[in-house]
Amino acid sequence: GQNIDQPTEMTATEGAIVQINCTYQTSGFNGLFWYQQHAGEAPTFLSYNVLDGLEEKGRFSSFLSRSKGYSYLLLKELQMKDSASYLCAVRHNDYKLSFGAGTTVTVRA
Amino acid sequence: GAVVSQHPSRVICKSGTSVKIECRSLDFQATTMFWYRQFPKQSLMLMATSNEGSKATYEQGVEKDKFLINHASLTLSTLTVTSAHPEDSSFYICSASDRHYGYTFGSGTRLTVV
Repeated sequence: GQNIDQPTEMTATEGAIVQINCTYQTSGFNGLFWYQQHAGEAPTFLSYNVLDGLEEKGRFSSFLSRSKGYSYLLLKELQMKDSASYLCAVRHNDYKLSFGAGTTVTVRA
Repeated sequence: GAVVSQHPSRVICKSGTSVKIECRSLDFQATTMFWYRQFPKQSLMLMATSNEGSKATYEQGVEKDKFLINHASLTLSTLTVTSAHPEDSSFYICSASDRHYGYTFGSGTRLTVV
């Protein structure tokens, strides 16, 4: 089985930085994804980590530690449009994804 | 980039009727299609996995006779909710997978059963 935990909500100010943590316990780990989802819409891909370390992609970065079962998504220079739900998803060896419940980020002016 | 078209985006149906949801991969061949259900403020829950030309495999607790999945071609998969009841009201999302594009999600279908 698997447990994927991430905070329910986070609030930050426009221009600030927010870090969303995700911890997981799973068998057959084969990578970790981060997605952004606006209400009533499909998730959109943000990042993918399979090896330990930091992946940087513009304002978004994602980190993975496989030994600790831990990842985080870092959002820099927050903009109002970044208000959304952020989903942590673990890929298993059978290529299925298991999702966390999502973290709702609210960006305030 | 890869695009998956999902229709309808919203549907309201009467209790006891059936509803079909379609997902088409527009510019790539989806070897595998995943179907998810998402309740408000909850995670995406995998319902079933289908590969083109073969029977779908369902996750534990998902009734295969209620949620019929057809993946007749590499570009089209359908999910039919049979004899829908109010508790089936949810957001249904498909995700197509191939080796090059990873996972591409459809735009989702909001089903309301009245």
